[in-house]
Amino acid sequence: EIVMTQSSVTLSVSPGERATLSCRASQSVTTNLAWYQQKRGQAPRLLVYGASTRAAGIPGRFSGSGSETEFTLTISSLQSEDYAVYYCQQYNAWPPSFGQGTRVEIK
Amino acid sequence: QVQLQESGPGIVKPLETLSLTCSVSGYSINTGYYWGWIRQSPGKGLEWIGSMYHSGKTYDNPSLRSRVTVSVHTSMQKFFLNVTSVTAADTAVYFCARGVLGPTSTLVFDYWGQGILVTVSA
Repeated sequence: EIVMTQSSVTLSVSPGERATLSCRASQSVTTNLAWYQQKRGQAPRLLVYGASTRAAGIPGRFSGSGSETEFTLTISSLQSEDYAVYYCQQYNAWPPSFGQGTRVEIK
Repeated sequence: QVQLQESGPGIVKPLETLSLTCSVSGYSINTGYYWGWIRQSPGKGLEWIGSMYHSGKTYDNPSLRSRVTVSVHTSMQKFFLNVTSVTAADTAVYFCARGVLGPTSTLVFDYWGQGILVTVSA
């Protein structure tokens, strides 16, 4: 199984500031990498797939980048509704696997 | 709008079978996509369990394969999860989700249910 590692457990960011979240794969997943946002008591919501393609309805302040083993999700200007937990997921190999999550909290 | 909703018992006794149902609206299951289950627990985070195409093609997680069955009833717009011989380690929030299979990839999940907490306890 490919192990996904998110380097930060928690990220403290002020409203309006930029947040940069990292995700590393234990082997290459090319660009078969997705990001999800999960708020308390809710299901994860797909934000980005293909490492950099925003899902339908996702605001432009969310952007993804990277390939092979190193990936980044950037939130350009944090809004109040963006404080949540973010997960990366590889879908290059079976079984699809998730990172442990990064919580973005208010600084 | 595609909507998924889980249902089933919130408590299951150890060594018994966990059975959940996912009801789908807003999209016909037999049109396409994979339909499956993901669980979330404090200890293991998000863990994909298994997914099934309406034709019967199934993928499942090797870590759970011997205990898991995913099935689909297309005319009822429902799909199901059975996990046998449960232990405390199976306590989790279980999500049903629609999966998109790519030509050179496995599954990414674009629609999820709200989740149902299942506790394994005597």
